[in-house]
Amino acid sequence: AQSVTQPDIHITVSEGASLELRCNYSYGATPYLFWYVQSPGQGLQLLLKYFSGDTLVQGIKGFEAEFKRSQSSFNLRKPSVHWSDAAEYFCAVGEVYADKIIFGKGTRLHILP
Amino acid sequence: EAGVTQSPTHLIKTRGQQATLRCSPISGHTSVYWYQQALGLGLQFLLWYDEGEERNRGNFPPRFSGRQFPNYSSELNVNALELEDSALYLCASSLSEVWETQYFGPGTRLLVL
Repeated sequence: AQSVTQPDIHITVSEGASLELRCNYSYGATPYLFWYVQSPGQGLQLLLKYFSGDTLVQGIKGFEAEFKRSQSSFNLRKPSVHWSDAAEYFCAVGEVYADKIIFGKGTRLHILP
Repeated sequence: EAGVTQSPTHLIKTRGQQATLRCSPISGHTSVYWYQQALGLGLQFLLWYDEGEERNRGNFPPRFSGRQFPNYSSELNVNALELEDSALYLCASSLSEVWETQYFGPGTRLLVL
């Protein structure tokens, strides 16, 4: 069955530290992968997406993600976090001709000053 | 360009009542999606409409229904409200296929008392 797993429910990092949020998926041969961010009281905003090609994807707000087919992973990274990055992050996966995309349960990021 | 809009922002109902939530997609988008975001459960896919037709629905009872109008706006109806229907309901829109990037509205917070 298709699934998306975000193993970490909460992550806390210090401001200025690097960040990696994990995402693992179980899907078909050609997944479409997304990372969204949800700030408190807001809807979801797309950070980046992977459809094909270069496996390292650059997004907005200094985020990047790397698609690793062999590990079925699409981890989100940022070299130096800012207090404004505190939010909930969702990984999502879809497939061409699929009839929905599937979201992970999210990882809540906390930033220490 | 205007984003996805949803109304109302908040809705308070009592058990057994009906709720109607509305969504206007981004201009040019023909697909509208509805998600339920209940505490701790991530985003659960509810419905997908495209060109006025229901293309897919998630694992929700039939009392969750909706429609899409000729101008591509959409309505989600929840009948016979139950306490566990309390959640944030998010609407998203995209170009016509589900793997296209979905753009989210701010959501409607439904509270069932």
